[in-house]
Amino acid sequence: QKEVEQNSGPLSVPEGAIASLNCTYSDRGSQSFFWYRQYSGKSPELIMSIYSNGDKEDGRFTAQLNKASQYVSLLIRDSQPSDSATYLCAASTRARQLTFGSGTQLTVLP
Amino acid sequence: DGGITQSPKYLFRKEGQNVTLSCEQNLNHDAMYWYRQDPGQGLRLIYYSQIVNDFQKGDIAEGYSVSREKKESFPLTVTSAQKNPTAFYLCASRTFVGTSNQPQHFGDGTRLSIL
Repeated sequence: QKEVEQNSGPLSVPEGAIASLNCTYSDRGSQSFFWYRQYSGKSPELIMSIYSNGDKEDGRFTAQLNKASQYVSLLIRDSQPSDSATYLCAASTRARQLTFGSGTQLTVLP
Repeated sequence: DGGITQSPKYLFRKEGQNVTLSCEQNLNHDAMYWYRQDPGQGLRLIYYSQIVNDFQKGDIAEGYSVSREKKESFPLTVTSAQKNPTAFYLCASRTFVGTSNQPQHFGDGTRLSIL
């Protein structure tokens, strides 16, 4: 079983819609979770960090964490074509490292 | 501007050759990391270092070597023992300042290919 799992997609949404990206993790000791955006051919860019159960909002992005269910999600409201990228979910490990999921490819259709 | 600089951007390796990828950061970050990314895949950890003169193997260290002689620098050598080196190599760093687990930040990457 992979430690961090994401639906690989691809996920397509129309412009202006809400994109919902999901991630599950297996290590109950994970305390910190991160969402990175990676454009094709580029390096990952941090877009959200979340440490506590509940929702965290930053502009059009909302991260949701449910530690009991070992589930993290990222919602992108009012999706734009410029949001088209691969989104990587990462969870901290007990050794203070990060384990990454394989990413979900999102396409926002104009 | 503070950041993480990786060089070169593109690198070609001949059969039997060792090559070294550079990673320098001026963020005063404590820890540095090397990842490998294959097409359509996530990131796999090669090596990491949390303090100068100390480093640890990650999940796929075979065929790679590193050094951490200075806080700012964490070069990665891809040795001839690594039979399938073609990949996108990413260097990252993070600080240990603060109570929360701080995120890692990435350089722009080096794309390595076999000639």
